[in-house]
Amino acid sequence: DSGVTQTPKHLITATGQRVTLRCSPRSGDLSVYWYQQSLDQGLQFLIQYYNGEERAKGNILERFSAQQFPDLHSELNLSSLELGDSALYFCASSFNPDPDADTQYFGPGTRLTVL
Amino acid sequence: SQKIEQNSEALNIQEGKTATLTCNYTNYSPAYLQWYRQDPGRGPVFLLLIRENEKEKRKERLKVTFDTTLKQSLFHITASQPADSATYLCALDNNQGGKLIFGQGTELSVKP
Repeated sequence: DSGVTQTPKHLITATGQRVTLRCSPRSGDLSVYWYQQSLDQGLQFLIQYYNGEERAKGNILERFSAQQFPDLHSELNLSSLELGDSALYFCASSFNPDPDADTQYFGPGTRLTVL
Repeated sequence: SQKIEQNSEALNIQEGKTATLTCNYTNYSPAYLQWYRQDPGRGPVFLLLIRENEKEKRKERLKVTFDTTLKQSLFHITASQPADSATYLCALDNNQGGKLIFGQGTELSVKP
């Protein structure tokens, strides 16, 4: 158990809908990362927040947005969902904002299925 | 174009042998490289980090090498066990803050 929690575990929805994925980092960690993992694209970095502020951005679509709240939990919002958005979404956390200075601990993931 | 490539075919080895996994990259200049283990349906678990000025790093039965001239990292598991069966991912930094780029992973299967 990494100490990172993600809800829900599974999400099934229809095209065009909007969903929110939630992540609680390990106690004391200030940095939260979001990743998408699909069979054809592998694990792709989406976005990072550190202590409430956006720190790094990857190939995140404009239909996706995220935020980190004062209690450090984070939410990833996916809107106008398409079939291709079906994937595993992982959240990871670390204390330090730089990946080379600190281990990233990954949560169990949310499996999103868009029908 | 930028690429990070791992053996796409699954690696099958006998228990007790050494498993060697390869990570090659093109058009990146990473300051460090990381290796992760991922079991089916679960999040990746960090194993080792090696920096550009380090040639080799060890942790128990694991060894990682990093050759910035060849643009390659090798990941070795010695005295492999069936419990080592998993997908192994390499990841490198893109010199853009917190952004890690992951390879597609290599599936390792250790047979008893």
